[in-house]
Amino acid sequence: DTGVSQDPRHKITKRGQNVTFRCDPISEHNRLYWYRQTLGQGPEFLTYFQNEAQLEKSRLLSDRFSAERPKGSFSTLEIQRTEQGDSAMYLCASSPGGLGANVLTFGAGSRLTVL
Amino acid sequence: SQQGEEDPQALSIQEGENATMNCSYKTSINNLQWYRQNSGRGLVHLILIRSNEREKHSGRLRVTLDTSKKSSSLLITASRAADTASYFCATEGSYIPTFGRGTSLIVHP
Repeated sequence: DTGVSQDPRHKITKRGQNVTFRCDPISEHNRLYWYRQTLGQGPEFLTYFQNEAQLEKSRLLSDRFSAERPKGSFSTLEIQRTEQGDSAMYLCASSPGGLGANVLTFGAGSRLTVL
Repeated sequence: SQQGEEDPQALSIQEGENATMNCSYKTSINNLQWYRQNSGRGLVHLILIRSNEREKHSGRLRVTLDTSKKSSSLLITASRAADTASYFCATEGSYIPTFGRGTSLIVHP
């Protein structure tokens, strides 16, 4: 396994359009996280999954955002009716899960630019 | 909201010098991690320290944790130009690592 993969790496869209990002975690990892990062800031938590169950969502995640992880494998993050404020790097990370500490393996990110 | 706050926000040093960055946090934690991020890339895990530990070493990295002061420090010894990156602390209370704003380190050759 080569790590966490994210697609696309870059997305430029017009305001009001919908976009979808995909994340393929490390195959044996049970937990999958989505974070958003803007320039000069640290990653901000959006949501996470334990297998296929979405266990927590940040208040940052408005109703325009939806995430899924069907069958507990890959995950998608969809943003509907994009706004310029959605421009950011969207980072996916996975961890083995269990009772130990969550050491995250991150993907390279999907950079969204909303014009 | 971000749990940890790194200090300084930016650090510029010469190759061979040591770099120290600090992280302060507000609530009780189970563990604290440090990550590194090169420009435009994802984060890479560097080191983890649990709440019952006070110090850990990994190669040129030394991390300390003071739970009474709710603070941690990351020391990079004998820095190299390749250490140029942003460094983030992440605190974890229950399954969600929460990141600070980071310290931007520049190491001049």
